[in-house]
Amino acid sequence: DVQLVESGGGLVRPGGSLRLSCAASGFTFVNYEMNWVRQAPGKGLEWVAYIDSGGSRLVYADCMRGRVTISRDNAKNSLFLQMRSLRVEDTARYYCVREAEGAGANFDSWGQGTLVTVSS
Amino acid sequence: SYVLTQPPSVSVAPGKTATITCGGDNIRVKSVHWFQQRPGQAPLLIIYYDSLRPSGISDRISGSNSGNTATLTISRVETGDEADYHCQVWDSSSRHVVFGGGTKLTVL
Repeated sequence: DVQLVESGGGLVRPGGSLRLSCAASGFTFVNYEMNWVRQAPGKGLEWVAYIDSGGSRLVYADCMRGRVTISRDNAKNSLFLQMRSLRVEDTARYYCVREAEGAGANFDSWGQGTLVTVSS
Repeated sequence: SYVLTQPPSVSVAPGKTATITCGGDNIRVKSVHWFQQRPGQAPLLIIYYDSLRPSGISDRISGSNSGNTATLTISRVETGDEADYHCQVWDSSSRHVVFGGGTKLTVL
């Protein structure tokens, strides 16, 4: 079975940094494009970042561009999200999401998410 | 940037049909995906490429896409269908993924 397990969330002060990790198993990680999606408490889903299977093509949402870096280690089946200059409005659960093969950003598998709280 | 509009809430009686819309400019040319999210759980893909169902998803769930509106239909609604439903597309012009605001389905 496909498993995506996020970690690294927690409480951070405004202006602080955090690195999220996602451990993937149950599928050939190197073959899949990956994304991070977040959800603020009581709000809808918001896409954050995309990385292609090789790690060379990166795309960011406007909400976090310049403050976040997505990366992956295919040898360790891991996805990362480095976040900087965090704001109160970045408080959310962050999901690691697999994109199914084919066009159209079909998000077929989601982790349970890791909660990031930005507060003084 | 591309915008998807969903009604905040939809209510339906058990056994009836629920219809959740997702509006976007000429959305018919895009591939629309739908997710179900029960309280405290991660989203679950229930419809992809407008109308296809992943393995294990009930055939009471269907999708369509035409003109400026994509539609998720749940027939013979059950209490277990109570959840938030989110539509999503990939916008080729911005190369960004876009989600609708989500619709809370209440089973009366």
